[in-house]
Amino acid sequence: NAGVTQTPKFQVLKTGQSMTLQCAQDMNHEYMSWYRQDPGMGLRLIHYSVGAGITDQGEVPNGYNVSRSTTEDFPLRLLSAAPSQTSVYFCASNQGLGVGEQFFGPGTRLTVL
Amino acid sequence: KNQVEQSPQSLIILEGKNCTLQCNYTVSPFSNLRWYKQDTGRGPVSLTIMTFSENTKSNGRYTATLDADTKQSSLHITASQLSDSASYICVGTDSGGGADGLTFGKGTHLIIQP
Repeated sequence: NAGVTQTPKFQVLKTGQSMTLQCAQDMNHEYMSWYRQDPGMGLRLIHYSVGAGITDQGEVPNGYNVSRSTTEDFPLRLLSAAPSQTSVYFCASNQGLGVGEQFFGPGTRLTVL
Repeated sequence: KNQVEQSPQSLIILEGKNCTLQCNYTVSPFSNLRWYKQDTGRGPVSLTIMTFSENTKSNGRYTATLDADTKQSSLHITASQLSDSASYICVGTDSGGGADGLTFGKGTHLIIQP
């Protein structure tokens, strides 16, 4: 099992550019989520999904879109990148909402100039 | 609003020594308390998950305790090794049904010196 995979590992964007961060899991988990991690702050939830076709907003959703067409994949789209979106992004999955072990991907370090 | 506070923010100890990290939480309705280890440049990895009825849970040299009355948890590391250098994150889970129910602390940055 590869667990949770994320691509790319590093990315530099210019303000206004768009991009998609990829996330995939091979554990057949229904629940997937995206977090951002900034210095001096705890992980903050951006968007989450409780199953294919179902997504919802977390604590800091502005500027980000998600979709969940399959159980395995949960991409995060930045519509028009801003310097405030410079951060490390983590995708995670687990069997259910707030239950069971949560598995994180290796992260994507994004810099917006 | 749910909150998780961790102390200390950072800690430096010598290899082989023991240490204890603290976590105070205000999470309602409470479901479980989690500890994660995050190595530099990597994603968090789950160490323990404790429910209301569990006082202690061990994972190798890591032992977590939970006092549901005082809403405190601790993570004790025994005979520290250089590989224990990492950030340790305490997470409270609520069962209120909103979002993912997880409230993350800011973490304790632990450095083990040889």
